[in-house]
Amino acid sequence: EDQVTQSPEALRLQEGESSSLNCSYTVSGLRGLFWYRQDPGKGPEFLFTLYSAGEEKEKERLKATLTKKESFLHITAPKPEDSATYLCAVQNSGNTGKLIFGQGTTLQVKP
Amino acid sequence: DTGVSQDPRHKITKRGQNVTFRCDPISEHNRLYWYRQTLGQGPEFLTYFQNEAQLEKSRLLSDRFSAERPKGSFSTLEIQRTEQGDSAMYLCASSWAGLNTEAFFGQGTRLTVV
Repeated sequence: EDQVTQSPEALRLQEGESSSLNCSYTVSGLRGLFWYRQDPGKGPEFLFTLYSAGEEKEKERLKATLTKKESFLHITAPKPEDSATYLCAVQNSGNTGKLIFGQGTTLQVKP
Repeated sequence: DTGVSQDPRHKITKRGQNVTFRCDPISEHNRLYWYRQTLGQGPEFLTYFQNEAQLEKSRLLSDRFSAERPKGSFSTLEIQRTEQGDSAMYLCASSWAGLNTEAFFGQGTRLTVV
């Protein structure tokens, strides 16, 4: 069964304190791994898609990497506006586009 | 295009009542998905459409739930005889069918069953 586990569940950082979020997955043929940001009371906002091990993508202070078993979301010098829940999801090789999500990591960045 | 639109944003209903939610996807997208999210959890897949055809339904989707996508445009999700356990955020997403496509989500409908 396809499964995604994110750690830690919650993370508190001081502004400027870099860190990484982890997403471990098991999937029957990875079609893509997705990172989303979700603010309270709102829908998930797309950040990145990664397709193969070794791939990296960057956007502002965020950088996502992928191995055969896990993905990391690195946050460099975070700001308070980066506070949100970060969701990881996988698509398997079946051509449905269905996403299997982890439970998310809630990040709080204090000024 | 303003993205995926959901209506209403919030719904409070009494147990046993029926409710219906609407989703308008990004106009050029031919796939539409419904997910449910409870507090502290990630979204869980409910069902999806490609054009007007409903191609997969999760075991989470009990007989009280029904979804439609007439003419392959907007979609509705109806819950009959609501129960307190139905309280959740209902999310709609849309995408292109094909390789390397990401799904874009709406703002969700927050359902509270009292």
